[in-house]
Formats: sequence, structure tokens, C-alpha cells
Amino acid sequence: DTAVSQTPKYLVTQMGNDKSIKCEQNLGHDTMYWYKQDSKKFLKIMFSYNNKELIINETVPNRFSPKSPDKAHLNLHINSLELGDSAVYFCASSRTSGRAHNEQFFGPGTRLTVL
Amino acid sequence: GENVEQHPSTLSVQEGDSAVIKCTYSDSASNYFPWYKQELGKRPQLIIDIRSNVGEKKDQRIAVTLNKTAKHFSLHITETQPEDSAVYFCAVGTGGFKTIFGAGTRLFVKA
Repeated sequence: DTAVSQTPKYLVTQMGNDKSIKCEQNLGHDTMYWYKQDSKKFLKIMFSYNNKELIINETVPNRFSPKSPDKAHLNLHINSLELGDSAVYFCASSRTSGRAHNEQFFGPGTRLTVL
Repeated sequence: GENVEQHPSTLSVQEGDSAVIKCTYSDSASNYFPWYKQELGKRPQLIIDIRSNVGEKKDQRIAVTLNKTAKHFSLHITETQPEDSAVYFCAVGTGGFKTIFGAGTRLFVKA
């Protein structure tokens, strides 16, 4: 009955590799997000999808490519991993009511370590 | 774009005392002001939120106040307990779909 789930929980990889993180929500929400949380705990929005459409794309390197196959899933693929990509990546979802914001529900996070 | 500043970055209080965390924002079109709590190694979770048409909201020991004119809002925790120790984030929902988070406040409650 997990609301927002992410896999994997931990990811350790070498520089230059390509990796993916998967996110699924069973809350029936129509908006999903990816956040990056660095070692100083700063939470920064990367992408947001509403009904499978990209609506927010912050200044994130092209190596990061989100994909939303349906409203319940938002995956993140990262090419050519760099040391600076090491962080915890959180997926989140929320219900959209017009242009009103609502509570975001976060996944458990994926701790990515690039060696 | 929207800019959110949060103070203090660290706050240490004695159990039973009150804790206050303040945030300021820049975009007057912002209309949603949630607070999230993140315990060590866990995900952020909403503890209270307020919309721009309300000045204050309370939920047991937690309250949030909003001053739209001055563009600042605050989180108040009364009768703090050790389990309140965590990182607290303010956030601002802008006119679009974007939510901007403050830098976080690490709260320590000493027993």
C-alpha cells in the first residue's frame, strides 16, 4: 500500500556510466516531480510532469532525461554520470486542482553515489 | 523567479520550549505555503500548510502564520519534544506548478 515508491533505494556506480531510477505512485495524482537533495540537504526541483506532459524543466544538464509513460510513473535516466551527481533523488507526486498547489507526497529517495 | 530564504539554519532548544522558524519570499503571486519535516534518512513529509487567503493556521502544537504584505511566514512549534528534532523546510507554491523550497532548518530538541 506504499503511496510513492522508488527503485532502487541505493545506487553505487562508476563515473561515465548510465543509470535509471524508477518512480511509481498509486495515489491517482496527476503531477509528479523529481528533486535532488545534496549533502547540505538543499531540496532542488529538477522536473515536473502534469498528465504525462513536462511542465517544469529547471537548469538541469541534458544528461538527465525524465520519462513519464503514464500518469502513475515518472522515471529518471542519467547518462555519463559525474561525481557531482552524487545526491539523494526524491520523486514526489501531488493532485492538481486547477492552478492550486496541494501537498506533495515524497518517495523514500534513491541515494546515488558516483565513484 | 521566486526566491525563498529560511532562518535560522540551525536551532537548538530545550525540551518544552517553543521553536520559531521564519521564511521570506519574493513573488507576490505565490499562493501556497507548506512546511515539511524531514527526519534523518527519511523522506520529507508535510506537517502543515497555509494558503494566501488565510493569515494563521494551527494544528495541535504546530502553527503557521502568514504576512502577505511583508511576504513572510513562520512555523511555530510549542512544547517541543525530542521527536520534533528534524530538518524543517518551508516552501512556496508559485503562480505556476513550481514549488520552491527553503534551505532548511535543523532543529535540535535537547531532553
